[in-house]
Amino acid sequence: DGGITQSPKYLFRKEGQNVTLSCEQNLNHDAMYWYRQDPGQGLRLIYYSQIVNDFQKGDIAEGYSVSREKKESFPLTVTSAQKNPTAFYLCASSVTSTEVAFFGPGTRLTVL
Amino acid sequence: QKEVEQDPGPLSVPEGAIVSLNCTYSNSAFQYFMWYRQYSRKGPELLMYTYSSGNKEDGRFTAQVDKSSKYISLFIRDSQPSDSATYLCAMSSLTGNQFYFGTGTSLTVIP
Repeated sequence: DGGITQSPKYLFRKEGQNVTLSCEQNLNHDAMYWYRQDPGQGLRLIYYSQIVNDFQKGDIAEGYSVSREKKESFPLTVTSAQKNPTAFYLCASSVTSTEVAFFGPGTRLTVL
Repeated sequence: QKEVEQDPGPLSVPEGAIVSLNCTYSNSAFQYFMWYRQYSRKGPELLMYTYSSGNKEDGRFTAQVDKSSKYISLFIRDSQPSDSATYLCAMSSLTGNQFYFGTGTSLTVIP
């Protein structure tokens, strides 16, 4: 099956901890994205990558970091510098950076 | 002004009704227009997309793009309780590097 997987589905973080969210796609897409979704708010772009070994900050990159060492993988690290990390995190990919986007199932992060 | 505007609703209709969901946009360079359905606590699922202008039909769903008015619509015929979800519109341009999303419209179809 082709698609996007995200793990874990649920994640709990203590104050001061860094956590890493996994995103893997087997669609052979060049572009990948990370969004944050809060209740009652739209999707906000955290980081995006158009090709391997290259990525750009989105609208709310502070407190987050990413890497793109492989075409199929785009992990997101939520650092302790992110003051309000509790949210639903969505990974997406597209053939190129301007065509249709496909989403993964999401990871719900809760800070304890 | 936001790139994409979408009425958040909520919208509540009886089963079998025709539903009309809409978005307006400001960037005339947008060429890809997408509609997603998102169930609670799930990732958005691509329903339909159109390139440039015109209509596209898929079963009970019809997507329309009016580029002259910068207005897109999603129509759902014979709505079902299983259509109850949040619907997101999204757009992109050929020269850009990201997508622009509406905030989503919450739809409830009452049996």
